[in-house]
Amino acid sequence: DTGVSQDPRHKITKRGQNVTFRCDPISEHNRLYWYRQTLGQGPEFLTYFQNEAQLEKSRLLSDRFSAERPKGSFSTLEIQRTEQGDSAMYLCASSESTGEANYEQYFGPGTRLTVT
Amino acid sequence: AQSVTQLDSQVPVFEEAPVELRCNYSSSVSVYLFWYVQYPNQGLQLLLKYLSGSTLVKGINGFEAEFNKSQTSFHLRKPSVHISDTAEYFCAVSRFTGGGNKLTFGTGTQLKVEL
Repeated sequence: DTGVSQDPRHKITKRGQNVTFRCDPISEHNRLYWYRQTLGQGPEFLTYFQNEAQLEKSRLLSDRFSAERPKGSFSTLEIQRTEQGDSAMYLCASSESTGEANYEQYFGPGTRLTVT
Repeated sequence: AQSVTQLDSQVPVFEEAPVELRCNYSSSVSVYLFWYVQYPNQGLQLLLKYLSGSTLVKGINGFEAEFNKSQTSFHLRKPSVHISDTAEYFCAVSRFTGGGNKLTFGTGTQLKVEL
């Protein structure tokens, strides 16, 4: 297995544009998480899925943000009408859902978003 | 809600010296504790975790951490660091919810190992 992958690695967009990021988790992992990391800060939880169901969303996830995991495999995170404050690293992580493996999240390399 | 405090934003240390990175947490319920490492332009890698049992936890790359419930701390230690240990280290906490393992991270400690 190649681990968690994210695409693109970098995205530069103009304020007001929409952007979409993709995350491919480790194949046998049924939990998928999205986090956002701004400069000098630790990652902050955004949302998570168990299979295709989105089970929790952070208050950080405004109505401009939407995440999907349509077939319980890859996930997308879309930001509409981007703002400069959306500039951050968006991290995806996956894990199993049983036993101790539930507590071992594997992170992807992240997508760095710059809004100009 | 739980929170994590990493008081040291940067820790410089010479190669082969010991190091301790401090982490304190606050929570009104029992928590699980984690240390992650982040190398430049990469995602986070799990170093070690405390779920229950022995309070001394050993992880990868020679790191270990001790859970101290009375002091609400989970400090990370390594007896002898290498130049390759230069990275950002994050302490994180979660609590049992019966569902997902939502992590709350500290602000990170930059470990800089010098020759």
